[in-house]
Order: sequence, then structure tokens, then C-alpha cells
Amino acid sequence: SQTIHQWPATLVQPVGSPLSLECTVEGTSNPNLYWYRQAAGRGLQLLFYSVGIGQISSEVPQNLSASRPQDRQFILSSKKLLLSDSGFYLCAWSYATGYEQYFGPGTRLTVT
Amino acid sequence: KNEVEQSPQNLTAQEGEFITINCSYSVGISALHWLQQHPGGGIVSLFMLSSGKKKHGRLIATINIQEKHSSLHITASHPRDSAVYICAVGNYGGSQGNLIFGKGTKLSVKP
Repeated sequence: SQTIHQWPATLVQPVGSPLSLECTVEGTSNPNLYWYRQAAGRGLQLLFYSVGIGQISSEVPQNLSASRPQDRQFILSSKKLLLSDSGFYLCAWSYATGYEQYFGPGTRLTVT
Repeated sequence: KNEVEQSPQNLTAQEGEFITINCSYSVGISALHWLQQHPGGGIVSLFMLSSGKKKHGRLIATINIQEKHSSLHITASHPRDSAVYICAVGNYGGSQGNLIFGKGTKLSVKP
């Protein structure tokens, strides 16, 4: 069976510090991978998606970047965090475009 | 105007009540998803549908493509159904396959 992991579960970081959130998927090959953010009082917003190693598409211009160094690993990064980066970050995977997406447990990020 | 609108925003029900959550969208879609987000934040996919009706246990989801409207029904509600229910639509004709999400409906079921 397939599982998706995210870490850390919670993170408190000061403004201006770097960020690295990791997501890994087990039990499938060449999945589509997604990073979403849920800010307080707002709906989920797609940040990045990837259909293969090294292939990253950005949906929203922002202070963040994503990388996919391995088939089942998706990393969300920032060089300098802003207060507005606070939120709940979710990673998801799907077999392909148009298929059901499966979500990870999420990382709650608070930028102070 | 948001592309995906859910109603109500908040819903409180007594255990055993029949619950309906509505979702309207204004864009062309390939499929509509209903998701459940628990208080801890984790999200579970409940349904993905592009026409008609789907049922899983006490949950029923319907969609009317012509009216651009979907409903999620919960029969014999229980306190463990308390969660945020999120509607999302996807248009998979392009290469992205990304979803557009509603803001969610927060459901509280009292014992």
C-alpha cells in the first residue's frame, strides 16, 4: 500500500530564517507530487506540482521554492521566511494528472 | 467571486441528524472532490466524482454538471463526523491537474 510522510509535523521559525520541509511517498513509482498551503481563514492553495524528477511547476509567485531530487521525494524550501509564510503545508500525491490526490499529515509552520 | 463556493460555512447538528453541505463552482471541470479535514489538520479524500452520485457508508455525494453544483450528505450523523469538509474542483484538460478549493464547511455534531 502507498503511504505519504511529511516532516516535521510542527515548526516555529523566526523571520529571515531558512526553511526546508520534506515529503516522501512509499509504495508507488513516478507519482505526481503537490505542495499546498492553507493559511489561516483561507482555503487550500496549490503552491507547486511535479510530474517527474526535476520537473517543478509553480502556481503562485512567492518566497518559496520546490525541488524533486528523487522520484518519491518532494522538498519545499525558502531562503528567508516571511511572516506571511505561516500556515499549514500539505504534500499530496496522485498516480497521474486527473486522478484522486492523497494527502500527507501536514506541517504547521509558524513564523515569528 | 470565488470560483468554488461552499455553504454553509459553519454547521452545528445534533447526533442522528441528516446533514447537507453544498458546493457551487463557476469554472468548467473534469471532476469534483470532497475532502475531510480533521481538527489535527490531516486531510482525507472522501469522493471524486464527475457525474451522478456516489455512496460510501453514511456519506453520499451528488453532482449536477449542468447546474455546476454538488452536495455532500451525511446520514445519521455522529460526533466523529465533526470536521471541516472541503469541496475542490479540477480541470484536467490542461497539463496541470491542479485543484481549486472551497474554503470549507466546519461541521460540529453534538451528542
